[in-house]
Amino acid sequence: DSGVTQTPKHLITATGQRVTLRCSPRSGDLSVYWYQQSLDQGLQFLIQYYNGEERAKGNILERFSAQQFPDLHSELNLSSLELGDSALYFCASSVVASGSNKTQYFGPGTRLLVL
Amino acid sequence: AQTVTQSQPEMSVQEAETVTLSCTYDTSENNYYLFWYKQPPSRQMILVIRQEAYKQQNATENRFSVNFQKAAKSFSLKISDSQLGDTAMYFCAFMKHLGGSQGNLIFGKGTKLSVKP
Repeated sequence: DSGVTQTPKHLITATGQRVTLRCSPRSGDLSVYWYQQSLDQGLQFLIQYYNGEERAKGNILERFSAQQFPDLHSELNLSSLELGDSALYFCASSVVASGSNKTQYFGPGTRLLVL
Repeated sequence: AQTVTQSQPEMSVQEAETVTLSCTYDTSENNYYLFWYKQPPSRQMILVIRQEAYKQQNATENRFSVNFQKAAKSFSLKISDSQLGDTAMYFCAFMKHLGGSQGNLIFGKGTKLSVKP
């Protein structure tokens, strides 16, 4: 168990809908990362938050957005869903500090299926 | 932009034998980190081993070790005494070091390892 939790584990929805994925980082970790794993694109970085602020953006679509709350949990919002958004969405967390081991610990993922 | 290449989509090994998974990367950075993650059928991403680019000594974790060749931009993973539980997808990943901060992970496409009894 990595200490990172994600809910829900599975999500089935229809095209055009909006969903919210939730992540709670490991205790003490200030940084949260979101990744998407799909068959055709592999594992791709979406977005990073650090202590409530957006730190970096990757290949995140405009239909997707995220935020990190004061209690450090994060939510990834996916809207106007398309079939191609079906994927496994991972959250990872890490300690971002000098001397830290720089390792990102992954949650179990949320499997999204868009029908 | 950094890229990570894993040239072996699939590999197999007999139980108790040794196998080496290859990874090459492309970067102009001097300070970075390299990782191997394992993804078993449960789809959980599990850290196997980590290497800091500034360290010349190769990292080891029990049966897992790496051969880090910075000049060649190569980072292979050796699994000794393979066990059935090692069956998984293995991803090589690169992370840029950003001063006091750190970057995101850039993954290769993975190598599917099967350990046969």
